[in-house]
Amino acid sequence: GESVGLHLPTLSVQEGDNSIINCAYSNSASDYFIWYKQESGKGPQFIIDIRSNMDKRQGQRVTVLLNKTVKHLSLQIAATQPGDSAVYFCAESPSNTGFQKLVFGTGTRLLVSP
Amino acid sequence: DTGVSQDPRHKITKRGQNVTFRCDPISEHNRLYWYRQTLGQGPEFLTYFQNEAQLEKSRLLSDRFSAERPKGSFSTLEIQRTEQGDSAMYLCAPLTITDTQYFGPGTRLTVL
Repeated sequence: GESVGLHLPTLSVQEGDNSIINCAYSNSASDYFIWYKQESGKGPQFIIDIRSNMDKRQGQRVTVLLNKTVKHLSLQIAATQPGDSAVYFCAESPSNTGFQKLVFGTGTRLLVSP
Repeated sequence: DTGVSQDPRHKITKRGQNVTFRCDPISEHNRLYWYRQTLGQGPEFLTYFQNEAQLEKSRLLSDRFSAERPKGSFSTLEIQRTEQGDSAMYLCAPLTITDTQYFGPGTRLTVL
């Protein structure tokens, strides 16, 4: 079946460090991947996305890497700030559903210490 | 600001009551999705609309749930005879022209 999982439920870093959040997916039919940030009491906030025809995509302080061979996705946050503290979800969109349903993992909590 | 509002933001109800949530995208979007999120979990797909048409429903959407999008803009999600297991955050997400789902702030439902 479909599943999107995360290796680490909680990641603690110091302010200024780089953070790496990992995600494994199981559906080889997925062709679109998204990282969302969710703060307490709020809806998921779009961070960055990547399509399966790319291996890497960069945004502002964030980079997403996609390794289709091992079905692995990662989010790199440069110079992590206290405001980055939140739960991060990766989501995949299997192309075989035909309607871009997102399948989410359980999330990784990022804690940034000053 | 994602350009999506949801109302109410919080709803506390007693078991057996009916509740209705509303999702209002600011701009027009052909597709609109509903998800449910329980504590500590990622959002789970419930249903989606292509304009006014509801095209797909998850098996999570029991007969007590009904969703509408009468004019292809705002959408409502109704739960009848609520149960404690319905307690969750209900999220809507319109699909943008770049095929990205931007989520609203959600409605937190607590069933006592």
